[in-house]
Amino acid sequence: QSVLTQPPSASGTPGQRVTIFCSGSSSNIGANYVDWYQQLPGTAPKLLIYTNNQRPSGVPDRFSGSKSGTSGSLAISGLRSEDEADYYCAAWDDSLSTRVFGGGTKLTVL
Amino acid sequence: QLQLQESGPGLVEPSETLSLTCSVSGGSIYNSDYYWGWIRQPPGMGLEWIGSIYYNGRTHYGPPLKSRVTISQDMSRNQYSLHLYSVTAADTAIYYCVREVSGSREVDYWGKGTLVTVSS
Repeated sequence: QSVLTQPPSASGTPGQRVTIFCSGSSSNIGANYVDWYQQLPGTAPKLLIYTNNQRPSGVPDRFSGSKSGTSGSLAISGLRSEDEADYYCAAWDDSLSTRVFGGGTKLTVL
Repeated sequence: QLQLQESGPGLVEPSETLSLTCSVSGGSIYNSDYYWGWIRQPPGMGLEWIGSIYYNGRTHYGPPLKSRVTISQDMSRNQYSLHLYSVTAADTAIYYCVREVSGSREVDYWGKGTLVTVSS
């Protein structure tokens, strides 16, 4: 059971906008930044969004992040087939004194 | 360009010690801007943060594994290591060495990962 809660799956058609939500608590998302990672099949995760809404160099602006209270969200606009991957949210948890992850959301592009 | 590369045995017997090394190139681990850590992922499952080490040697471990793990560093070789003691089949996973940004703690670099299987 993951500390952060994500839907196990999401889907969309090419060109659509998809949003993945990540629910936490006052000790993690409510108190700290949210990050998002993309894991393509058979590869290591890659940083997609950091400090709630910042994109590392090279990440397309189709990806955006936000945070409100104890929840974070990742939006992907103009969905493409290459966006098919697992997406994980993460945050530091002050009570557990550890980094916590969501269980991951498998995005399917129909 | 920073690169992280895990190395170590791919098979460990139950009750033994899992030992992995991360070799860092393209940057020094003696840098107060970053932590150097380990994250694991059991096959087909999610991510678990194991712990990290700071340039001054200070370590921080996640509660689930805290009693069984040690992370150490070798500045002369620009490497750091993970030792996980008394392993069981539940420790079978892909182990990633990672770099975390000090302060905001996002993981901005990942190694390719190495699969470690615990089995006799």
